[in-house]
Amino acid sequence: AQSVAQPEDQVNVAEGNPLTVKCTYSVSGNPYLFWYVQYPNRGLQFLLKYITGDNLVKGSYGFEAEFNKSQTSFHLKKPSALVSDSALYFCAVRDMGDDKIIFGKGTRLHILP
Amino acid sequence: DTAVSQTPKYLVTQMGNDKSIKCEQNLGHDTMYWYKQDSKKFLKIMFSYNNKELIINETVPNRFSPKSPDKAHLNLHINSLELGDSAVYFCASSHRGAGGHTEAFFGQGTRLTVV
Repeated sequence: AQSVAQPEDQVNVAEGNPLTVKCTYSVSGNPYLFWYVQYPNRGLQFLLKYITGDNLVKGSYGFEAEFNKSQTSFHLKKPSALVSDSALYFCAVRDMGDDKIIFGKGTRLHILP
Repeated sequence: DTAVSQTPKYLVTQMGNDKSIKCEQNLGHDTMYWYKQDSKKFLKIMFSYNNKELIINETVPNRFSPKSPDKAHLNLHINSLELGDSAVYFCASSHRGAGGHTEAFFGQGTRLTVV
């Protein structure tokens, strides 16, 4: 069965600094990997995905993520954080051919002005 | 145009009541889901339907009964509501293509409060 781990409950970053939100996964086959963001009292918004191809994928709002097969990681990154990036971020995985997406527990990102 | 829409957005009801949450997607997707987000923000899949057929049922109490009248709709009916059912329920949809599913798109959620 697939699983996702987000080891940090909260990440604090000063505005303008680079940010990283960590994610590791476990699947039996080839993974489909996703990042979603949730703002207060809102639904989940899709940020980016890795299916196949380049290990560095770019997504919405300047975010990118790096797929590392040997470390089974898919960390979310942004070169320069904005206060408006403050939100709850979820990493998710789908085993290829499976019908469900499994989510990590979420990481709250605080960007300090 | 809202891609995945749920109604109602808020639902406050007494223990023991029966309630329904409706979900519609206009993305042409063939797979729809219900997820539950608890007070700690954990997201757990409850059900998944593909082309109106139930394909995932994650050990949810049988007081919860999903119904999919067509590919664009997936409703959730809950009988005999309990305090522990209080949560935010999210509907989502995706498309199963030749290479597997696309990413899932989520509705805005229904905040259910049982008092």
